[in-house]
Amino acid sequence: RKEVEQDPGPFNVPEGATVAFNCTYSNSASQSFFWYRQDCRKEPKLLMSVYSSGNEDGRFTAQLNRASQYISLLIRDSKLSDSATYLCVVVGYGQNFVFGPGTRLSVLP
Amino acid sequence: GAVVSQHPSRVICKSGTSVKIECRSLDFQATTMFWYRQFPKQSLMLMATSNEGSKATYEQGVEKDKFLINHASLTLSTLTVTSAHPEDSSFYICSARLLRENSYNEQFFGPGTRLTVL
Repeated sequence: RKEVEQDPGPFNVPEGATVAFNCTYSNSASQSFFWYRQDCRKEPKLLMSVYSSGNEDGRFTAQLNRASQYISLLIRDSKLSDSATYLCVVVGYGQNFVFGPGTRLSVLP
Repeated sequence: GAVVSQHPSRVICKSGTSVKIECRSLDFQATTMFWYRQFPKQSLMLMATSNEGSKATYEQGVEKDKFLINHASLTLSTLTVTSAHPEDSSFYICSARLLRENSYNEQFFGPGTRLTVL
């Protein structure tokens, strides 16, 4: 089993739609969790951290379920500019980042 | 703040040559930097952890003699791909860890270097 797994995608949604991505991780000792966004041929950029209590940043909501070892990202009112690959990142005791394979989102006009 | 640069952004070389990629933290000191490789339509795979003043730690399956890492200062790490072959063609991305007091340690990524070996 891979250390971090994500919905394979791609997700093709119309503008204004709500879309949710899921991520599961295998290491129960993982400490920190993030969602990164990566545009084509660019480096990953931090989208948001994921906290146990859940957190929201504008149209983006991230949630963590430690018991199920599951992370989610919800995007409301999708914009064309949201089109990208979304990477789930899990950090263990060694502080190393483990990236999921990514889920590609295309928001269509 | 927390900007990381990489140079060159793109390089094309002949098979058998060596290529050096630089990673710099521009506005903070980084005792730890990371080198990743990303093949098309795949995620980032950690190659090695670069530690200032000491040897790098390589992930399983990554040849340390082929991918030479030097972290000579708190703002610079270099990755040298020696005797490059076409299968080494990839997107190489570095990141630098920013240590924060009483908070998680965030990594900031460089813009990446696209290596093409002919």
